[in-house]
Amino acid sequence: ETGVTQSPTHLIKTRGQQVTLRCSSQSGHNTVSWYQQALGQGPQFIFQYYREEENGRGNFPPRFSGLQFPNYSSELNVNALELDDSALYLCASSLFGSREQFFGPGTRLTVL
Amino acid sequence: AQSVSQHNHHVILSEAASLELGCNYSYGGTVNLFWYVQYPGQHLQLLLKYFSGDPLVKGIKGFEAEFIKSKFSFNLRKPSVQWSDTAEYFCAVNSLTGTASKLTFGTGTRLQVTL
Repeated sequence: ETGVTQSPTHLIKTRGQQVTLRCSSQSGHNTVSWYQQALGQGPQFIFQYYREEENGRGNFPPRFSGLQFPNYSSELNVNALELDDSALYLCASSLFGSREQFFGPGTRLTVL
Repeated sequence: AQSVSQHNHHVILSEAASLELGCNYSYGGTVNLFWYVQYPGQHLQLLLKYFSGDPLVKGIKGFEAEFIKSKFSFNLRKPSVQWSDTAEYFCAVNSLTGTASKLTFGTGTRLQVTL
């Protein structure tokens, strides 16, 4: 059974740029959630994708967007990067409706 | 809106000491509670979960947690910690946003176990 994988591991961008982060879900899972974990904080829910559509969103602006592909993998896109976007971005996969989620190792984004 | 409070931000214990980390939640719906651990340089791992039934839940690595509904609490315990338990611990509650099942996390407790 393959776990959740994310790429890249680390990323450095400058303010105003755009970034794409990628996630492959655990084998058998059809739902992907994205979380932002700022330094010293717990993860915060960004949004969730199921059947290639966003089916729930946290308190994040529209410049945070995503995609889910037919193989259930997912992308998180952030436009017009701000310094406060510097964080660890976590992807979690699950079966739709399940209360348990399985996390990937995260992508560390630094915005300069 | 749901929220999770973890009152201990940084805990330092000697090996073999007992551990209790506090977690209080606020959520009006059916409660599903979790404790996750994040070892240095590693991803979030599930320690234990409570959905229903016996309020005393046992997890991996000797950890347990007790759900006390009247106190809105889900404290994590371990009788005797080891140096390898040094990590960040997060309490979380599951809720629905639209049709999405999401986790709301506390700010975490950093546990440092000294030899």
